[in-house]
Amino acid sequence: AQSVTQLDSHVSVSEGTPVLLRCNYSSSYSPSLFWYVQHPNKGLQLLLKYTSAATLVKGINGFEAEFKKSETSFHLTKPSAHMSDAAEYFCVVIRMNTGFQKLVFGTGTRLLVSP
Amino acid sequence: GAGVSQSPSNKVTEKGKDVELRCDPISGHTALYWYRQSLGQGLEFLIYFQGNSAPDKSGLPSDRFSAERTGGSVSTLTIQRTQQEDSAVYLCASSLGQVVGYGYTFGSGTRLTVV
Repeated sequence: AQSVTQLDSHVSVSEGTPVLLRCNYSSSYSPSLFWYVQHPNKGLQLLLKYTSAATLVKGINGFEAEFKKSETSFHLTKPSAHMSDAAEYFCVVIRMNTGFQKLVFGTGTRLLVSP
Repeated sequence: GAGVSQSPSNKVTEKGKDVELRCDPISGHTALYWYRQSLGQGLEFLIYFQGNSAPDKSGLPSDRFSAERTGGSVSTLTIQRTQQEDSAVYLCASSLGQVVGYGYTFGSGTRLTVV
């Protein structure tokens, strides 16, 4: 069954430095992958999605992710962190189950941004 | 509405009492999902609705949990005889249908605390 593993529970960066949040996936076929962000006491917001089109996916707020089949990875990056990027980030895969699809979430990575 | 609306935003209840959580999806969205987010458990799938029917209830943790959807719109999640382990944030998401490209929109959640 499709699943994702987020390799870091916490990532700390300084404002203005690059961000890398790592995600590996497991899937027997070409997966559909997402990154969601959750700010404190807020709902989940879609950052970007990969659905087997271009392997480099651009999302909102300057984030992007690259699908690498050879590495089974879908890491999230941003060239320069901003204080407002501090939040929890979830890597998500679609799992097909008895004719319908559902989102399967990774355990999340908390991004901390210091001045 | 413009987004997925959930009520109440916070609920504190005594152990053993019943609670009802409400989700009002985006108008026209036929697919509706309930997830639970708790410390140490990440985001767990609970139930999925397509229209008024629930093809998959496999994620409901026990028979104390039930959900219904009427008129293909509003859904209620009911927890009977609440236990302390039911304390979590309950999230609702909706989608136009079972096509990945449509995306999923999440509500801000209901934070349930059982004391």
